[in-house]
Amino acid sequence: DIQMTQSPSSLSASVGDRVTISCRASQSISSHLNWYQQKPGKAPNLLIYAASSLQTGVPSRFSGSGSGTDFTLTISSLQAEDSATYYCEQCHSTPITFGQGTRLEIK
Amino acid sequence: EVQLVQSGGGLVKPGGSLRLSCAASGFTFSNYSMNWVRQAPGKGLEWVSSFSSSSSYKYYADSVKGRFTISRDNAKNSLYLQMNSLRAEDTAVYYCARDNWGGYFYMDVWGKGTTVTVSS
Repeated sequence: DIQMTQSPSSLSASVGDRVTISCRASQSISSHLNWYQQKPGKAPNLLIYAASSLQTGVPSRFSGSGSGTDFTLTISSLQAEDSATYYCEQCHSTPITFGQGTRLEIK
Repeated sequence: EVQLVQSGGGLVKPGGSLRLSCAASGFTFSNYSMNWVRQAPGKGLEWVSSFSSSSSYKYYADSVKGRFTISRDNAKNSLYLQMNSLRAEDTAVYYCARDNWGGYFYMDVWGKGTTVTVSS
């Protein structure tokens, strides 16, 4: 199974900050990497697919990069509504696996 | 509007069974692979099962293999998860999610989730 490791597990940042979340795969997954945002009590929401493609309707302050084993989600200017937990997911092979999540808090 | 409406959760005793349903609307259901993903209380996301659009392939997490069965009825635009021999560790919110394909798979439409509680 491919293990996905996110860092940090949690972070706190201020409105307007640039925030980066990392995700590392235990083996190469090319660009088969997606990012989701989940708010409490809600279903996950797709932000980025294929490592760097912005899902329709997602604000342009979100971006993704990376390939192979190392990936990054960047929020260029943090907004209050970005408070949530973020998950990476590899869809290179089954079993599909998710990172453990990164909880983002707004200071 | 593209949406997935879930039903069928509830409280069940260990060893019991439950069937989850996911009704799709607003898109051609038969053209898409579908997934079940779960989230235990306070925990992260765990993929459970997938069913290809062609109805040829079914995949399961090791944790549910042999106990859960995924199925679909394209005529009814519906996805199902039959859960047998339920255990306490199966307690979770279960989501159905559509797999889209743009050279890579990604889950772009999600149901709101249905809660399954396994407890005596």
